Amino acid sequence: SAVISQKPSRDICQRGTSLTIQCQVDSQVTMMFWYRQQPGQSLTLIATANQGSEATYESGFVIDKFPISRPNLTFSTLTVSNMSPEDSSIYLCSVVRLEAFFGQGTRLTVV
Amino acid sequence: QKEVEQNSGPLSVPEGAIASLNCTYSDRVSQSFFWYRQYSGKSPELIMSIYSNGDKEDGRFTAQLNKASQYVSLLIRDSQPSDSATYLCAVNEIKAAGNKLTFGGGTRVLVKP
Repeated sequence: SAVISQKPSRDICQRGTSLTIQCQVDSQVTMMFWYRQQPGQSLTLIATANQGSEATYESGFVIDKFPISRPNLTFSTLTVSNMSPEDSSIYLCSVVRLEAFFGQGTRLTVV
Repeated sequence: QKEVEQNSGPLSVPEGAIASLNCTYSDRVSQSFFWYRQYSGKSPELIMSIYSNGDKEDGRFTAQLNKASQYVSLLIRDSQPSDSATYLCAVNEIKAAGNKLTFGGGTRVLVKP
């Protein structure tokens, strides 16, 4: 298993601002994954964070909007930039051993 | 066609009955299959994993995999009100960039006392 600490757990932000979400894993992992879950929807992969290289973004997601850092093998951040109400979602970080394990999630509301 | 498909539900079952959830996937080379349970406002939690054809049982849960037909199912026996949640099917796809999980849309299950 894996223990993932994600913060903040929730935030309410003004449109046009940015929020950085942090994830700390209890052991080293090669890849960390960032997902978005919009209300009533399933998980959509935003990007894969690789240590030592740039993140790999899925179709529809760009680095300028969702910059990711991966400074070491146990930590990653996702920033949601220039937020609009459409960015209101739950954001989840995840690692895969054999199965996927998730952080507690960040519930973001943009007003 | 979506890569991983599930009936969105809600699937309403009486307490004590069997809930049957289905999932189909499109990538024939997928190797690993998972069922997650997600309560409202919480993160998904793994309840079953299955890697080979056939049935796998864990308590009240049974996962069934048929790679030839590209489907995986989950049975919940003796359903309890606490089983009311959204169940997500996930498939491990091997991509050039590495493994990643692709999730279905989820099936909402309601167990009525």
